[in-house]
Amino acid sequence: SQTIHQWPATLVQPVGSPLSLECTVEGTSNPNLYWYRQAAGRGLQLLFYSIGIDQISSEVPQNLSASRPQDRQFILSSKKLLLSDSGFYLCAWKENRNTEAFFGQGTRLTVV
Amino acid sequence: DQQVKQNSPSLSVQEGRISILNCDYTNSMFDYFLWYKKYPAEGPTFLISISSIKDKNEDGRFTVFLNKSAKHLSLHIVPSQPGDSAVYFCAASQNRDDKIIFGKGTRLHILP
Repeated sequence: SQTIHQWPATLVQPVGSPLSLECTVEGTSNPNLYWYRQAAGRGLQLLFYSIGIDQISSEVPQNLSASRPQDRQFILSSKKLLLSDSGFYLCAWKENRNTEAFFGQGTRLTVV
Repeated sequence: DQQVKQNSPSLSVQEGRISILNCDYTNSMFDYFLWYKKYPAEGPTFLISISSIKDKNEDGRFTVFLNKSAKHLSLHIVPSQPGDSAVYFCAASQNRDDKIIFGKGTRLHILP
């Protein structure tokens, strides 16, 4: 069966520090991968999605970047965090078109 | 531009009655629609989906209705149970790029 791992679960980082959140999927190959952010009291905002290695689309201009160094690994990064980067970050994967996506447990990021 | 809209931030329903959550979308290219349930500090879990070629899909207590001409879908939960209290997200995708766009969610409270 397929599983998705996302870590860390919580993170407190100072303003201006770098960020690296990792997501890996097991039990499938060539999945679509997604990064979402849920800010306090808001919906799920799509940040990045990837249909293959080194194929990444950015949805909103921001202080973040994403990379997919391996088929089932998706990394969210920042060189210098801002206070506004605080939120709940979720990784998700799906197989084919017109199927559901499965989410990880999320990372609560607090920038102080 | 918000492509998927959930205009009710919250909804309270008596236990045992029907819960109806609504969702509107603006992009006529969307061809697949999903509902997710989310508890605090967890990733969303998939509930039910519907393809644009259908107008109804049922799974146990959950039924999703799609009205393409009105660009509207709804999730019916009957009978409502205490464990249904959560935030419900409507989402949509299109075959062209397979990115999944979420609404802002509706918080459902099931009253005893």
